[in-house]
Amino acid sequence: EVQLVESGGGLVQPGGSLRLSCEASGFTLYSYWMTWLRQAPGKGLEWVANIKQDGSDIHYVDSVKGRFTISRDNAKNSLHLQMNSLRVEDTAIYYCARGQYGVDPWGQGTLVTVSS
Amino acid sequence: DIQMTQSPSIMSASVGDRVAITCRASQGISNSLAWFQQKPGKVPKRLIYGASSLQSGVPSRFSGSGSGTEFTLTISSLQPEDFATYYCLQHYSYPFTFGPGTKVDIK
Repeated sequence: EVQLVESGGGLVQPGGSLRLSCEASGFTLYSYWMTWLRQAPGKGLEWVANIKQDGSDIHYVDSVKGRFTISRDNAKNSLHLQMNSLRVEDTAIYYCARGQYGVDPWGQGTLVTVSS
Repeated sequence: DIQMTQSPSIMSASVGDRVAITCRASQGISNSLAWFQQKPGKVPKRLIYGASSLQSGVPSRFSGSGSGTEFTLTISSLQPEDFATYYCLQHYSYPFTFGPGTKVDIK
């Protein structure tokens, strides 16, 4: 069974940092692009970033460029999102998902709260 | 960036109704569109990819159509478990963008 499990969320002050992780099982991570998405409380879905199988191609939404870094460790079947200079508006559930385009499946998500 | 709109934003419907949700792109996106269903407190689930291909395991009452700038998600006979919010996602050009969602609730 394909499974994605996110971790690393929590409460952080504005300007702080967090590193999210996504552990994949049931499939070989190196065969797929991987994606991060997010959903602010009570709001819609937002695509955040994705990364090619070997890490050679990466894309971000403009609002996180220069602050967030997506990476992967295929040997450990894991995906990461390093989030720096966090803002209140980054508060959201962060999901990892398999694939480049019509992403599927998604993990259960991890909540990031940016507040003083 | 490509802007996605959806209509209606909220829809009240009854079990057995035929439901159609429209998604429009601000520029042509070929068939680079997926549809997702999200129930309250749950993870989004992909229903349709490539604008019209049904995800494995998804009931056949769901269908997708369209190309270019206008797309439709149709539920042929609404079931109780279909009350949810539906989102479209364009993956034609970066950054990929979602529509604002359409909430289907009970009439």
